[in-house]
Amino acid sequence: DTAVSQTPKYLVTQMGNDKSIKCEQNLGHDTMYWYKQDSKKFLKIMFSYNNKELIINETVPNRFSPKSPDKAHLNLHINSLELGDSAVYFCASSQDRREQYFGPGTRLTVT
Amino acid sequence: LAKTTQPISMDSYEGQEVNITCSHNNIATNDYITWYQQFPSQGPRFIIQGYKTKVKNEVASLFIPADRKSSTLSLPRVSLSDTAVYYCLVGPHSKSARQLTFGSGTQLTVLP
Repeated sequence: DTAVSQTPKYLVTQMGNDKSIKCEQNLGHDTMYWYKQDSKKFLKIMFSYNNKELIINETVPNRFSPKSPDKAHLNLHINSLELGDSAVYFCASSQDRREQYFGPGTRLTVT
Repeated sequence: LAKTTQPISMDSYEGQEVNITCSHNNIATNDYITWYQQFPSQGPRFIIQGYKTKVKNEVASLFIPADRKSSTLSLPRVSLSDTAVYYCLVGPHSKSARQLTFGSGTQLTVLP
């Protein structure tokens, strides 16, 4: 019973493509997040989504867009992929921004 | 945003107590301090959270001075399996437009 799951675990694609990463949480949490972790291990928050309120980190390019079909899902869509998008992307969830539960990560490689 | 600063790395030996400090000089009144542990190829995992003074659970203690401009994660009697990256996170509980800020992480290496 994985609390926060992400698919796929690995994603290799070419520059210019559009891709999506799915995230699901079965904890009943009200807030979900997407993070990007680069090769230097810096964890940067990209988005948080709570009760239809999307909070965006202004440094995130608008090629990235989160979409939430329901409270348990927050998918990440990326358009026109670039080499610099290569990283590990983590989804997380929490209740009222308390302790966050992270997914296992998706390693994206753009060639 | 509360900017956080942590040491890049620390070494320790098995059985020792390890203290990792995070600086957050411009922490806001409603910000909490949370620490996470991350092993290679895994997502971060919650360790402990606090607002002020001292918090303790079964795996760690968290010390926060009165001015709240820093916090110290204390791991008692570390073992080899505690080798990981430790992050501090500062942010509010409430539904706020402000973002959560992770520190750059501290690589703890426990030696035999």
